[in-house]
Amino acid sequence: GEDVEQSLFLSVREGDSSVINCTYTDSSSTYLYWYKQEPGAGLQLLTYIFSNMDMKQDQRLTVLLNKKDKHLSLRIADTQTGDSAIYFCAETWGAGKSTFGDGTTLTVKP
Amino acid sequence: EAGVAQSPRYKIIEKRQSVAFWCNPISGHATLYWYQQILGQGPKLLIQFQNNGVVDDSQLPKDRFSAERLKGVDSTLKIQPAKLEDSAVYLCASSLQGYEQYFGPGTRLTVT
Repeated sequence: GEDVEQSLFLSVREGDSSVINCTYTDSSSTYLYWYKQEPGAGLQLLTYIFSNMDMKQDQRLTVLLNKKDKHLSLRIADTQTGDSAIYFCAETWGAGKSTFGDGTTLTVKP
Repeated sequence: EAGVAQSPRYKIIEKRQSVAFWCNPISGHATLYWYQQILGQGPKLLIQFQNNGVVDDSQLPKDRFSAERLKGVDSTLKIQPAKLEDSAVYLCASSLQGYEQYFGPGTRLTVT
């Protein structure tokens, strides 16, 4: 993988849905991931999708993958203040090599 | 199940000094990664181990950085001598099969 691009900031109101977008470049990616990072902490794996899938739902999280456009999105339903964090998109290929985006800072306003 | 452990959590050194970071992965995880995360950026892979062998160290600045994973478990990452641009968070991650990665809390290094 060469490059993973994300928008830098997203601000939503509590209770709304959040959609975080990501584009990647390596068509040989096998898995695509979403990680969450809170201040002073490491990255927490939220969810992932295999490259032959279009959608994956996991409780409040929905991942959509458009392989033709190399576009990945993460939708968080009913966003809460505890969801405020930096969200990283990552692609993995080959022998578990990963490339991460620079993160999207999600701010949830009460 | 215990997570990935790292120490120290914080380190402040002067440029040209040396520093070492330690990582203990999740038990049974064969793959271990060291990442450098500069403020405002995503993690950048420095080195990947499979058991005690190196899979990828193409992004490791080998003139000053070194890493080892003795006995295929714990790992240490060393910087000698440190430069101002090495100020970052150093993250260790481990993986059972090379896909889902579990991260430690990181070591925040400040070089003055």
